Amino acid sequence: DTAVSQTPKYLVTQMGNDKSIKCEQNLGHDTMYWYKQDSKKFLKIMFSYNNKELIINETVPNRFSPKSPDKAHLNLHINSLELGDSAVYFCASSLWGGVHEQYFGPGTRLTVT
Amino acid sequence: DAKTTQPNSMESNEEEPVHLPCNHSTISGTDYIHWYRQLPSQGPEYVIHGLTSNVNNRMASLAIAEDRKSSTLILHRATLRDAAVYYCILRDPRENTDKLIFGTGTRLQVFP
Repeated sequence: DTAVSQTPKYLVTQMGNDKSIKCEQNLGHDTMYWYKQDSKKFLKIMFSYNNKELIINETVPNRFSPKSPDKAHLNLHINSLELGDSAVYFCASSLWGGVHEQYFGPGTRLTVT
Repeated sequence: DAKTTQPNSMESNEEEPVHLPCNHSTISGTDYIHWYRQLPSQGPEYVIHGLTSNVNNRMASLAIAEDRKSSTLILHRATLRDAAVYYCILRDPRENTDKLIFGTGTRLQVFP
């Protein structure tokens, strides 16, 4: 069983379009995250949600809007896509607080042309 | 956030032990040391974490210096599948964010 899944795995789209990436976890975790890995392989936190409440927003442009319909899902919607948005986006989940490890999804490679 | 310093790359032969160092001279008393790794074309995966004492699990061992200013991740017998980027990350559980701050990590190459 896949613990953290993301769809789609690959996403190719044109500048200016709006797209969404979906994430689901079946681990019973209460906290979910979005990370971005750029072309230089640098991984950076974007958002985190705990029990559907936004906890972290790391100065991400307003074009990015996370949505958590329930604890098991955290979707990422991106408006007006730009070339610089091309990256691999990873979803992760964990239990809240303490030193719990995070479980990452397989990633979504977004290419904006 | 306290920072960590790791070598950019290391090499090992298959079935040999690998010692991956991490320096964290500004570590605070409440920072835990976490290790994650990222295999090619995959998401990061948790390896191990510790506070003061050395730790062992099925994947690796973590040796923490007495002054906690450095630590070493030990892979006892490297396999080809261990080729990955290894990240040493400090996390303070008192900070109510739970975010992971990734550095550049160490790229481990394993040769047959």
